[in-house]
Amino acid sequence: EAGVAQSPRYKIIEKRQSVAFWCNPISGHATLYWYQQILGQGPKLLIQFQNNGVVDDSQLPKDRFSAERLKGVDSTLKIQPAKLEDSAVYLCASSPGPWAEQYFGPGTRLTVT
Amino acid sequence: AQSVTQLGSHVSVSEGALVLLRCNYSSSVPPYLFWYVQYPNQGLQLLLKYTSAATLVKGINGFEAEFKKSETSFHLTKPSAHMSDAAEYFCAVSDGSSNTGKLIFGQGTTLQVKP
Repeated sequence: EAGVAQSPRYKIIEKRQSVAFWCNPISGHATLYWYQQILGQGPKLLIQFQNNGVVDDSQLPKDRFSAERLKGVDSTLKIQPAKLEDSAVYLCASSPGPWAEQYFGPGTRLTVT
Repeated sequence: AQSVTQLGSHVSVSEGALVLLRCNYSSSVPPYLFWYVQYPNQGLQLLLKYTSAATLVKGINGFEAEFKKSETSFHLTKPSAHMSDAAEYFCAVSDGSSNTGKLIFGQGTTLQVKP
């Protein structure tokens, strides 16, 4: 089966610009996660969706980050405006349910200059 | 609050030697514990998980980990390292009483395998 797809793989922007990332989960997976992985650190959960509803966004900087999962399938994560400290790899993962194995995409590496 | 500490950000072993990557956790409730591996420019892949069944868990690629409640540890081992094991390894904990399955990751350990 096809894995989790993410695009773009790399993105370079200037601070204060906006950027969007896209994730296509494994078909049939109800749960979708966005993680932020700063260089030298482990992934940190930004937001978790169950179908098209948010179940955890406690660590999402809501003044600049937003995410949506329309129709419970694809998801987009947006940053507006970007800051230097947003430079990181953004990982998308999906699973059949909250307690099932999470399958990770290859990530999008964002560099903010 | 749950947390994970991985002792040693870099571990170097010779090919054929024992691999030991250390993980200690903090959790107020019985935890679920995981080890993930990340190869360069790739996403994370699950190696193994502990979910309150057998305390010795076997995973893929010859890795195993033992849950020790008294030591709050979940160290990852492999008897004989291969060059292909060079990667970054993450330990993670999940709150077994949560309804979200949220994972808390450690900071990672980079494994270098020398020929």
